[in-house]
Amino acid sequence: DAMVIQNPRYQVTQFGKPVTLSCSQTLNHNVMYWYQQKSSQAPKLLFHYYDKDFNNEADTPDNFQSRRPNTSFCFLDIRSPGLGDAAMYLCATSRDSSGAPGGYTFGSGTRLTVV
Amino acid sequence: EDQVTQSPEALRLQEGESSSLNCSYTVSGLRGLFWYRQDPGKGPEFLFTLYSAGEEKEKERLKATLTKKESFLHITAPKPEDSATYLCAVQAGDDKIIFGKGTRLHILP
Repeated sequence: DAMVIQNPRYQVTQFGKPVTLSCSQTLNHNVMYWYQQKSSQAPKLLFHYYDKDFNNEADTPDNFQSRRPNTSFCFLDIRSPGLGDAAMYLCATSRDSSGAPGGYTFGSGTRLTVV
Repeated sequence: EDQVTQSPEALRLQEGESSSLNCSYTVSGLRGLFWYRQDPGKGPEFLFTLYSAGEEKEKERLKATLTKKESFLHITAPKPEDSATYLCAVQAGDDKIIFGKGTRLHILP
């Protein structure tokens, strides 16, 4: 089945140790998104790529970076994780920026713990 | 400022007890309103997209409606497997997607 796959499902990293989360998609969607979701909070958009065009949200900390080497893969790099970066990180895709007609397709998420 | 507010934050119902979840929004130039279901520890699962006031969509026990200021997700005769967090998201004219915090729904058998 076509889908969005995130690896790993759970990631434990040390305070200040760089970590990379990955996302792959078999939907051939043009747009890929990274969201951060903390407990009982709304998902917060960090970045999105429309094809190779990178779009950074104004309030995304510099500590977070992203790479999209090809249509299928997208990575989230956290250069120096702090305790406040512990969260669920969600990858999503859509055919175009309108999200139509089927909305966004989300992966299962990566739960990041910082110790 | 564009904003999405969902209410209630949490809702407990008996199996078979119908109810509605609310999503109120203030955005510039609504392009679409989305409903998602999120199970614990998982990513959101798409349910519906609504584009214009008066539009309705149905799927099994769920029915979503849209007005110019809010959307309702009606749940008819819910079952325990309907327990989840229901997220509402709106897309504004600049294509940005804004999520609400969700309503945690718990259906008691």
